[in-house]
Amino acid sequence: QKEVEQDPGPLSVPEGAIVSLNCTYSNSAFQYFMWYRQYSRKGPELLMYTYSSGNKEDGRFTAQVDKSSKYISLFIRDSQPSDSATYLCAMSASWSSASKIIFGSGTRLSIRP
Amino acid sequence: EPEVTQTPSHQVTQMGQEVILRCVPISNHLYFYWYRQILGQKVEFLVSFYNNEISEKSEIFDDQFSVERPDGSNFTLKIRSTKLEDSAMYFCASSAAKVNTEAFFGQGTRLTVV
Repeated sequence: QKEVEQDPGPLSVPEGAIVSLNCTYSNSAFQYFMWYRQYSRKGPELLMYTYSSGNKEDGRFTAQVDKSSKYISLFIRDSQPSDSATYLCAMSASWSSASKIIFGSGTRLSIRP
Repeated sequence: EPEVTQTPSHQVTQMGQEVILRCVPISNHLYFYWYRQILGQKVEFLVSFYNNEISEKSEIFDDQFSVERPDGSNFTLKIRSTKLEDSAMYFCASSAAKVNTEAFFGQGTRLTVV
């Protein structure tokens, strides 16, 4: 079983829709969960990070972690064409955003105007 | 806004040649990383570096790879004898500390081995 699994998409939704992106993982040692956004031919850009289980909201973005199910989600409300990118879930075992990070394969998202 | 810069943006090299990928981390950052992303695949951790030594490395980071901070501002990744399968995007990242801080990624260097 892969450490982190993520549906690669592509996912195409109309502007204004709520988007749900998800990952599952197998390593119960993961404590630190991140979502990165990556535009074509650019480096990953950190969107949000959370420690352990729970929800975290930042503007139109909500990150959710359920450690009991080993399942994390990113919700995007009122999606905009500028949200079109590849979204990478990522996680780490240490209480750090900067140690070895395990990435998902990324979900390509397209928001149709 | 401070950023991690990488040069060159694209490097083409012949199999067996040595390449050096260069990165200038954000100036007050202390932790440095290299990741790679083979086309269509995941971003993979290669190595982390702190206080002039490797902190952690993955199984990908074998003897053909080395890292160096030669002059206090640059952070380099050397691949000694490139193979076709080394073709990938290589991302440098840096962070101010190891705990509770974001790792900022550069734009990447696309390495093509022919």
